[in-house]
Amino acid sequence: QKEVEQNSGPLSVPEGAIASLNCTYSDRGSQSFFWYRQYSGKSPELIMSIYSNGDKEDGRFTAQLNKASQYVSLLIRDSQPSDSATYLCAGLNTGGFKTIFGAGTRLFVKA
Amino acid sequence: GAVVSQHPSWVICKSGTSVKIECRSLDFQATTMFWYRQFPKQSLMLMATSNEGSKATYEQGVEKDKFLINHASLTLSTLTVTSAHPEDSSFYICSAEGWQGAKGTSSYNEQFFGPGTRLTVL
Repeated sequence: QKEVEQNSGPLSVPEGAIASLNCTYSDRGSQSFFWYRQYSGKSPELIMSIYSNGDKEDGRFTAQLNKASQYVSLLIRDSQPSDSATYLCAGLNTGGFKTIFGAGTRLFVKA
Repeated sequence: GAVVSQHPSWVICKSGTSVKIECRSLDFQATTMFWYRQFPKQSLMLMATSNEGSKATYEQGVEKDKFLINHASLTLSTLTVTSAHPEDSSFYICSAEGWQGAKGTSSYNEQFFGPGTRLTVL
């Protein structure tokens, strides 16, 4: 069983729509979660981190964490073609020694 | 934000040669750095965790004698691919673990990635 699971996509949304990316994790002791964006041929870029249950907003991005359900999501409002990338969900394992990455969800925003 | 650099950004070498990749944290000290490998259209695969002043911890299936890691200072870790072969061709990415207390936030254990090194072994 994968420790961090994501739908590989591709997820296709029209420009201006809300893109919803989801992630589940198996390590119930995980406390810290991250969303990274990776453009093709580039390294990942941290866009959001979340540590507490609930929502965390930063500009057009909202991360949501539900520890009881072991679920993390990322909402991108007013999606732009420049948001087209692979989004990696990651969680810090119990003990905080290793970050476990999901396989990533490919997002396409159509102009 | 925290900046991590990698050098070189790309390298082409002949089979059997060794290649060294440097990873530097430019504006913060990183006691822990990570080395990842990513094949096309696949996710990041953690190769090893590098702690300053101690031996690296390798993930299962990663040959420590082939992928030599040195973390001699709080801002520099190196990965040497020894006797490289075509199957070692990949995108190698390092990351450094940083604390964000200085920014006034309570975030921690965030990883900041270098730009990656694309290795092609002929």
